[in-house]
Amino acid sequence: EAGVTQSPTHLIKTRGQQATLRCSPISGHTSVYWYQQALGLGLQFLLWYDEGEERNRGNFPPRFSGRQFPNYSSELNVNALELEDSALYLCAGSPRWTSGGRTDTQYFGPGTRLTVL
Amino acid sequence: ILNVEQSPQSLHVQEGDSTNFTCSFPSSNFYALHWYRWETAKSPEALFVMTLNGDEKKKGRISATLNTKEGYSYLYIKGSQPEDSATYLCALYTDKLIFGTGTRLQVFP
Repeated sequence: EAGVTQSPTHLIKTRGQQATLRCSPISGHTSVYWYQQALGLGLQFLLWYDEGEERNRGNFPPRFSGRQFPNYSSELNVNALELEDSALYLCAGSPRWTSGGRTDTQYFGPGTRLTVL
Repeated sequence: ILNVEQSPQSLHVQEGDSTNFTCSFPSSNFYALHWYRWETAKSPEALFVMTLNGDEKKKGRISATLNTKEGYSYLYIKGSQPEDSATYLCALYTDKLIFGTGTRLQVFP
């Protein structure tokens, strides 16, 4: 069984540009979560998609957005990049949303390291 | 905002030692507590999902307990091995997962 995949592995952008990060969950998993780990900080929840809809959003500005495709893969877009957006971005998937997400195990990908110069 | 604290921040033990670390939280206003293991250069891997006060989980040499009344969860590793070296994260589920900053464990042969 293939695990969660993310691309690209590394991404270097300059301030003001846009970044697009991609995630494919394990086959059959319909929920996708995005997290940010900035240097020295813990994992911070960004976004949750299930069945193509945004279910929840973390405390991030609107320039962080995303979408989920019919095949349940997902994109995270970060517009107007700022230096502090430099971080490791992890996505995770989980099976069909049965408990409101509460007890669903999340399966993580290897991450995309975004560097903003 | 629920604050999840983990202690110690890092831990160095010898192979064969048993060890434990703590995840503490100020209130029981959450639905579940998740434990993850994150090895360097790999993806975080789920260990346990705990839901009830007094809940206990075990997986091989690793076990966890949850005490929501007193606001903590313990993770125990019996007979630590070098392959247990990783960062151990706990996270509370409210309407999202709120992660602590983790305990970094290094096991020396």
